[in-house]
Order: sequence, then C-alpha cells, then structure tokens
Amino acid sequence: DAGITQSPRHKVTETGTPVTLRCHQTENHRYMYWYRQDPGHGLRLIHYSYGVKDTDKGEVSDGYSVSRSKTEDFLLTLESATSSQTSVYFCAASFQGATEAFFGQGTRLTVV
Amino acid sequence: QQQVKQSPQSLIVQKGGISIINCAYENTAFDYFPWYQQFPGKGPALLIAIRPDVSEKKEGRFTISFNKSAKQFSLHIMDSQPGDSATYFCAASYNNNDMRFGAGTRLTVKP
Repeated sequence: DAGITQSPRHKVTETGTPVTLRCHQTENHRYMYWYRQDPGHGLRLIHYSYGVKDTDKGEVSDGYSVSRSKTEDFLLTLESATSSQTSVYFCAASFQGATEAFFGQGTRLTVV
Repeated sequence: QQQVKQSPQSLIVQKGGISIINCAYENTAFDYFPWYQQFPGKGPALLIAIRPDVSEKKEGRFTISFNKSAKQFSLHIMDSQPGDSATYFCAASYNNNDMRFGAGTRLTVKP
C-alpha cells in the first residue's frame, strides 16, 4: 500500500448524514487524490490536492468536499450522504502529477 | 462522457496465451498513459506506463503499444499466467494532475 492508509475500511451510514473518510500517507507525497470505483465506470476522480490547502475538483465532485491541512492527511467529506454515493472509495498519492500514483486499500461505503 | 474508453470489459485467456486490452482516448493533451492492475479487495497498482514520445514499452511479459495518430494504446500480456487474473485499468493524465481511468477489463487466465 506504499504507506497509504484509509480509514475506515468499511462504513454503513444513513441517508442525509455527513460522512468523513480519511487518507493518511507517510511518504511525503505532494499530490493526493480521491476516487470512487463503481462497476462499469472504472475509477472516477472526485477531488485532488496539489499541496497543503490546495485542492481542486475532479469529474464527479458534486456532493463531496475535501480538506488538506497537513501534507500527510487528505479528508473526503460527504456533506449529506445519498444512496448514489454508495461506492468503494480509493485514496491515491503521487510525488508529482502525471506520474505513478500509489493507492490505498479502499473504503467500502454503503448509504442506506 | 468517459475520456478514456477501454475494451473488452472481460477477457478469458488460456494459460500461455496472449492477453490484449485496448484503450482509446480523445484529449490530445494527455501526456502520460499508465496501466494499473487490481486484485480483489486491493487498491490498483501501477503495472507499466508510457509517454507519447515512444511507440512501445516493454517490461518483462507486459508491453504497451502506443499509436498517437489513432489516439489508441494497448496492453499486451505475453505467456499469460493464472496469477495475472485481475482487473486492468488504462488511464491517461495531463496538466500534471488530473488522471482519467478507463472502465476496466476483468482478465481471467485459465490453467
């Protein structure tokens, strides 16, 4: 897992509740990413960060926000969870953009 | 719309055979084309990658072929083994940040 830890690994939550997923890295990667993985869609980028407090939207950012207050931590928040956000979420990190990205083990989120 | 289109969705190959997975992209600004391998319950891991200034890259049994004019690239797995059974994703990246993935190919290598 190249020093990338996601927590929790599994979560079941109710519709309308806020949820925060955490990604922690130990290798001093500059870039960090949040993807969601759904059958037939591959991995879709939600948000990414290119430095502390520097973030930008990906292709499926609606309903999600992120924060990066330290190099090692990148948080993904679902402000009000919906059933369409049931998915497997992956955090990734890289030293530079457009280079090898290292992925965490994933978080399986179920919104009921 | 998906900026990187991958085919086939699934592939079954006999042990020792050649596995071929294809990807096509639309954005000519893409300048980095990796392939990732994912085993069940794990995160994807980089397998091999290419940049558009070369037409082919080989690492062991894995080869990327790249056709810039056709905006296509493919992964060839020679002498496929049961341990290669996994889901493979192509991807493309530009502007040093945004990486777009294909939908994935589930490869099964039969012994």
